[in-house]
Amino acid sequence: EVQLVQSGAEVKKPRESLRISCKGSGYSFSSYWIAWVRQLPGKGLEWMGIIYAGDSETRYSPSFQGQVTMSVDKSINTAYLRWYSLRTSDTAMYYCARGGTGTTHYGMDVWGQGTTVIVSS
Amino acid sequence: DIQMTQSPSSLSASVGDRVTITCRASQSISNYLNWYQQKPGRAPKLLIYAASSLQSGVPSRFSGSASETDFTLTISSLQPEDFATYYCQQSYSSPQTFGQGTKLEIQ
Repeated sequence: EVQLVQSGAEVKKPRESLRISCKGSGYSFSSYWIAWVRQLPGKGLEWMGIIYAGDSETRYSPSFQGQVTMSVDKSINTAYLRWYSLRTSDTAMYYCARGGTGTTHYGMDVWGQGTTVIVSS
Repeated sequence: DIQMTQSPSSLSASVGDRVTITCRASQSISNYLNWYQQKPGRAPKLLIYAASSLQSGVPSRFSGSASETDFTLTISSLQPEDFATYYCQQSYSSPQTFGQGTKLEIQ
C-alpha cells in the first residue's frame, strides 16, 4: 500500500525550533516530489512548497520562503519540514502529499494524515 | 502568484442533485487544474487531475471540464458521502495555489 505517515502532534513555545516528518512507503520514494500544505484552524489549504526526493530540488512559495526549510533523507524515505523559530501564527495542521514523478503538474495523489502543530506560550 | 477564484463558497443541496462548482484562474494555466475533496478532520483527497482526468478509485459521478481559464467540477447525482469541502488547485506554476474552497452542505 502506498502511504505517507507523518509524525505526531507537537506543542511548542514561541521561538522554539521544530522538525516534523513524513515517511513514505509502498513506492519508489526518491522518484517523486513531496509537497507540504498548511491548513490554519477552520481555513483553507495553502501550498507551502515542494521538494524532489531524488535530488532535494526545492521550490518554496514566497509566503513561506525563509520561514521553513524542507529536506529529505532518501535513505530512510523521509521528508522533513523544519522551523528554526516558531511563531504563534504557525499553529496549524500540516500535511505532506505526494506529487508527481518527474513533474509537479498532475496533482497530489497520496496524502499524509496531517501533523497538528500548536505554538503557545 | 496565480489567483484561483472558486464559487460558490458554500452550497446547499440534496441527495440526488446535480451540483457544479466553478474555479477561475487569473491567467492561463493550460489544463493544470486539480480538484480535491476534504471531509472534516481528514486529509484532502484528489478527485480530478489535469482538469478532466478522474483519479483512480473516484466514482464516475465526479467529472471535470475546462474552458480557457474557467474550470468546473460536476457531481452528477449527490450521494450522502459527498457532503464535504471541495478545493481547486492550479499546478501550472510555482507557487501552486488553491481556491478558497466550496463547502457543500445537506439541504
